[in-house]
Amino acid sequence: QQQVKQSPQSLIVQKGGIPIINCAYENTAFDYFPWYQQFPGKGPALLIAIRPDVSEKKEGRFTISFNKSAKQFSLHIMDSQPGDSATYFCAASNKRGSTLGRLYFGRGTQLTVWP
Amino acid sequence: ETGVTQTPRHLVMGMTNKKSLKCEQHLGHNAMYWYKQSAKKPLELMFVYNFKEQTENNSVPSRFSPECPNSSHLFLHLHTLQPEDSALYLCASSPVASGGHNEQFFGPGTRLTVL
Repeated sequence: QQQVKQSPQSLIVQKGGIPIINCAYENTAFDYFPWYQQFPGKGPALLIAIRPDVSEKKEGRFTISFNKSAKQFSLHIMDSQPGDSATYFCAASNKRGSTLGRLYFGRGTQLTVWP
Repeated sequence: ETGVTQTPRHLVMGMTNKKSLKCEQHLGHNAMYWYKQSAKKPLELMFVYNFKEQTENNSVPSRFSPECPNSSHLFLHLHTLQPEDSALYLCASSPVASGGHNEQFFGPGTRLTVL
């Protein structure tokens, strides 16, 4: 059973657009929700993360919106640039789990930003 | 060298070969991870080592054998693999804090092809 469901699988926007990537989870014990960004030939790198005590977190052009009651969270990229073209993964973890900080990943969204 | 490094970056092997993947982290972390990344599937956690001790084996077939001689090095020994084992194998590390969430730093991965 997939712990974190991510959509869409791929996304194409024009430069300046605002791509939105959505994730949903079922396990209410999850209490940490990071987003990772992966460029071709590289490993994933932490982009931004949120905890469920806040509904929004912003870092530069990247914003996470969190809806605890709906068990959903999303990534918004403001003023998207061609350099943002990458694969984005949402993830979730539960610090009370059997493994310190074990991350459950979504399937990923391949974002392409056209110039 | 900084961060998490992995060698080799690419590996092609036959089903009867024995090979090893190497991971080294220069971040002073105490937890190391092996993940498998296949196309259109979530990242799959394979093994976790915490202070050189294996704390999780996520039902990985015995043809994958991890080794962690110290907190900076992690190996994945491969033997009698199957074509479906072809994937990108990612190593990650994180600092260890009791009960906390730790950012995981990923290496660039080894692209494995099993013929």
